[in-house]
Amino acid sequence: DSGVTQTPKHLITATGQRVTLRCSPRSGDLSVYWYQQSLDQGLQFLIQYYNGEERAKGNILERFSAQQFPDLHSELNLSSLELGDSALYFCASSVDEGAPGTGELFFGEGSRLTVL
Amino acid sequence: AQTVTQSQPEMSVQEAETVTLSCTYDTSENNYYLFWYKQPPSRQMILVIRQEAYKQQNATENRFSVNFQKAAKSFSLKISDSQLGDTAMYFCAFMNFPLDGGATNKLIFGTGTLLAVQP
Repeated sequence: DSGVTQTPKHLITATGQRVTLRCSPRSGDLSVYWYQQSLDQGLQFLIQYYNGEERAKGNILERFSAQQFPDLHSELNLSSLELGDSALYFCASSVDEGAPGTGELFFGEGSRLTVL
Repeated sequence: AQTVTQSQPEMSVQEAETVTLSCTYDTSENNYYLFWYKQPPSRQMILVIRQEAYKQQNATENRFSVNFQKAAKSFSLKISDSQLGDTAMYFCAFMNFPLDGGATNKLIFGTGTLLAVQP
């Protein structure tokens, strides 16, 4: 158990809908990362938050947004869903935003999104 | 931009044997970390081993060791005494760590190698 909690574990929805994925980081971790794992794109970095502020952005679509709340949990919002958004969405956390001697990310079990 | 390449989509090994998974990467940066992550059927990403680019000594973790060739930009994973529980997808990953600041712990992953350990 990594200590990172993601909900829901599975989600099935229809095209055009909006969903919210939730992530609770490990106790004490300030950084949260979102990754998308799909068959055609592999594992792609989406976005990182550190202590409530956006820290880095990757290949995140404009239809997607995220935020990190004062209690450090994070939510990834996916809207106007398309079939191609079906994927496993991982959340990871780390104690810092980037510092020597660390660099280790702890991953949750992922949220499997299926768009029909 | 950095890229990570894993040229072996699938590999198979007999239980108790040794197997090596290949990974190459491309970067113009000088300071970075390299990782091997394991993703079993449970799908959770588990860190197997980490290597700091400034360290010449290859990292080892029990049955897992790496062969880090910085000049060749190669980072292979050797699994000794393979066990059935090693069956998983293995991902090589790169993390840039610029010394002038701006590090974000962002991981760039390869496409993965599916390892099957046969009884």
